[in-house]
Amino acid sequence: AQKVTQAQTEISVVEKEDVTLDCVYETRDTTYYLFWYKQPPSGELVFLIRRNSFDEQNEISGRYSWNFQKSTSSFNFTITASQVVDSAVYFCATDRGSTLGRLYFGRGTQLTVWP
Amino acid sequence: NAGVTQTPKFRVLKTGQSMTLLCAQDMNHEYMYWYRQDPGMGLRLIHYSVGEGTTAKGEVPDGYNVSRLKKQNFLLGLESAAPSQTSVYFCASSYSISGPSNEQFFGPGTRLTVL
Repeated sequence: AQKVTQAQTEISVVEKEDVTLDCVYETRDTTYYLFWYKQPPSGELVFLIRRNSFDEQNEISGRYSWNFQKSTSSFNFTITASQVVDSAVYFCATDRGSTLGRLYFGRGTQLTVWP
Repeated sequence: NAGVTQTPKFRVLKTGQSMTLLCAQDMNHEYMYWYRQDPGMGLRLIHYSVGEGTTAKGEVPDGYNVSRLKKQNFLLGLESAAPSQTSVYFCASSYSISGPSNEQFFGPGTRLTVL
């Protein structure tokens, strides 16, 4: 069963548009972590953010912001004023409270930002 | 500080051949992981290690073996390669598995093709 669902397979926007990437996760644990990673066309995986289950405060980092809602098991990622360099595949992941550090990844959302 | 490095970057094998992928990290991380990434599938955990001399199976371990003889190195072996093992392989490491600093840092990946 899928543990992390990224329902949007592909999204295309024009530069300067705002875009939100959705992530819904499954867990029965009370303590767990959620992550977002970026995979640009060069292929490497870049860590963006970690959030633990007890911290529901939204986080903003420059043009990036994250909205964590336990009530809906969602951890959505918004890019404000998108740029061409934001074009990448974005993965949401969770450790589902694992004590062994295993990450469960969603299938990713391909974001294309057109000039 | 090179972070996580992988050798080789690309490899083509014939069915039945064997090979070893090498992962090295210079961050003194205790925990290391091997994932495979297939189109539309996200990343899936193959094997992982919670310390020198220890290994354990992940989500898709069949056809692979691993060894962690030194803390900084984690080797992934394919004894008899099959076309189904054509994939991009990522190694990752983390300082901890729960709590702060549990984000995983990834290597650049190895693209393996089995003919």
